[in-house]
Amino acid sequence: QQQVKQSPQSLIVQKGGISIINCAYENTAFDYFPWYQQFPGKGPALLIAIRPDVSEKKEGRFTISFNKSAKQFSLHIMDSQPGDSATYFCAARGRNQGGKLIFGQGTELSVKP
Amino acid sequence: KAGVTQTPRYLIKTRGQQVTLSCSPISGHRSVSWYQQTPGQGLQFLFEYFSETQRNKGNFPGRFSGRQFSNSRSEMNVSTLELGDSALYLCASSLDRSGANVLTFGAGSRLTVL
Repeated sequence: QQQVKQSPQSLIVQKGGISIINCAYENTAFDYFPWYQQFPGKGPALLIAIRPDVSEKKEGRFTISFNKSAKQFSLHIMDSQPGDSATYFCAARGRNQGGKLIFGQGTELSVKP
Repeated sequence: KAGVTQTPRYLIKTRGQQVTLSCSPISGHRSVSWYQQTPGQGLQFLFEYFSETQRNKGNFPGRFSGRQFSNSRSEMNVSTLELGDSALYLCASSLDRSGANVLTFGAGSRLTVL
């Protein structure tokens, strides 16, 4: 019940295309869903986050779509750029769980010029 | 504003040894969490400290321990190292433990166990 399942494992997109990464969870006690971006040799960096009372959140080219009834959420990267090539992790946190995030397995995104 | 600082960045140990990793959180951040990152298991939560007290613990053996000092700096220790402990150990800090808090990660300490 603590798992967060992420797909696909890897993704290749052409420059200017849309990258879509999906995550699913089971624990209905999760109330915070962040996405992190990680470049080689760096720690994960927060990209965008959403709470379950909102169905969509957009920040620049990045959008989270959240489907509470299906217990799924996804990251859409519009107009993907080579500089977006990185590993993306979805995560979830339960109420009052502080710094404890449950991460998905990660998606390695490659944007081809 | 300085980010989360982890030392050392790289280290090599042999089986049976112990290791101590250090984390300096962002100034003003009082919560520090530790994660283990491996290709096979991904990012896994180790433990969280707030106000020098462990607030949360992941599913790791007792060989993994940590502590937090009064200035919020944190250390984690792994005793009796095993080959499987080879990983990137990440520290993340946040202002507090509230639902609004954002975790900021350091670059990690890469441990290789031979």
